[in-house]
Amino acid sequence: DTEVTQTPKHLVMGMTNKKSLKCEQHMGHRAMYWYKQKAKKPPELMFVYSYEKLSINESVPSRFSPECPNSSLLNLHLHALQPEDSALYLCASSLKALWDRGPNEQFFGPGTRLTVL
Amino acid sequence: DQQVKQNSPSLSVQEGRISILNCDYTNSMFDYFLWYKKYPAEGPTFLISISSIKDKNEDGRFTVFLNKSAKHLSLHIVPSQPGDSAVYFCAARGTSGSARQLTFGSGTQLTVLP
Repeated sequence: DTEVTQTPKHLVMGMTNKKSLKCEQHMGHRAMYWYKQKAKKPPELMFVYSYEKLSINESVPSRFSPECPNSSLLNLHLHALQPEDSALYLCASSLKALWDRGPNEQFFGPGTRLTVL
Repeated sequence: DQQVKQNSPSLSVQEGRISILNCDYTNSMFDYFLWYKKYPAEGPTFLISISSIKDKNEDGRFTVFLNKSAKHLSLHIVPSQPGDSAVYFCAARGTSGSARQLTFGSGTQLTVLP
């Protein structure tokens, strides 16, 4: 298995809903990432987990809550989102932890297209 | 302050010709550079990378050149194919701590005309 999978592909939610995005990889990668991408913009890093521990939180509002239950799985829990949070949410993984030296390409999933009404 | 810049938002090239995508950076502490390709409604796909100690890396039709003194890298695609039409992001990685996350450029939309 050489890919990062994300579910759901599309999600529409109201501002009072609670939902979760799921990301999975079975490549033995030690770091997993959440990014947010708006149209015609580069991906913006939100969170990084290395060895299942949160190592970077890029000042993301608390209405986004990440969780890494095990080395293969990464969740993003969403609550009380705003319409401006509508975007493509990308998960990525890399073989090495963030601080490890040497090549460490990140491999991205297909993303979840989130629309907040 | 944008540390990684792609100054051309779009590029059109005829099929079979060379596509050259450019990227400039300001942080001399970056140690690794990567190129990603992105189709609409999909995640970015890793293409090719280069370490800061090298000046060229080649993989099939894709070659990345790094000019450290000019803080400039470029991606050459030869020959270009219509399936190469996508947004191309360059990314750079810092050398320590949280700077080792990837910093992305704003992307260049490549259109290869048949």
